Amino acid sequence: GIQVEQSPPDLILQEGANSTLRCNFSDSVNNLQWFHQNPWGQLINLFYIPSGTKQNGRLSATTVATERYSLLYISSSQTTDSGVYFCAVEETSYDKVIFGPGTSLSVIP
Amino acid sequence: EAGVTQSPTHLIKTRGQQVTLRCSPISGHTSVYWYQQALGLGLQFLLWYDEGEERNRGNFPPRFSGRQFPNYSSELNVNALELEDSALYLCASFPRRVVNEQYFGPGTRLTVT
Repeated sequence: GIQVEQSPPDLILQEGANSTLRCNFSDSVNNLQWFHQNPWGQLINLFYIPSGTKQNGRLSATTVATERYSLLYISSSQTTDSGVYFCAVEETSYDKVIFGPGTSLSVIP
Repeated sequence: EAGVTQSPTHLIKTRGQQVTLRCSPISGHTSVYWYQQALGLGLQFLLWYDEGEERNRGNFPPRFSGRQFPNYSSELNVNALELEDSALYLCASFPRRVVNEQYFGPGTRLTVT
């Protein structure tokens, strides 16, 4: 099956700093999503981005499907950005969603 | 609009017992995914129900099963619990085949002792 990797596994930022999270996948996919899991376990859908670039406030994402990677940019980070960021892909042939291992982000004041 | 709800919030069971977890999707959503998030293993796809039928399942043994009711709510059943079944079980609902609009519930934390 498809392999999904994320980097870095852990990240500590000072409040106000910018960061880039990366997601690599091993095969073509139907779609790609980014999620944020807050420290209380709640998962929030951030972006649906099978290709191209999208922006939502301080967050933006870019997926280059032909090169099998996606990037999530966080600008002017805030403590509320802390948590784990997952990318998830839908396998073309198998109709199921595969999550990457996540990037754990801690934003300190 | 009410979000996805799950019950119970927390559960403690003993090895060998059986457990049933419940999920109520967002109104209008006909599909439900179940995921297991075990410590150190990330989110693993468990089951997909759509329109009352099981559409796909992940790499889990048959003792993990479930069903979806006519109102699109869903149950996840785990028989013969093992210690490694301890995890956060998440369900997500989405409009039929529009998986990019999946919304997650708060999860059920299962501890097996």
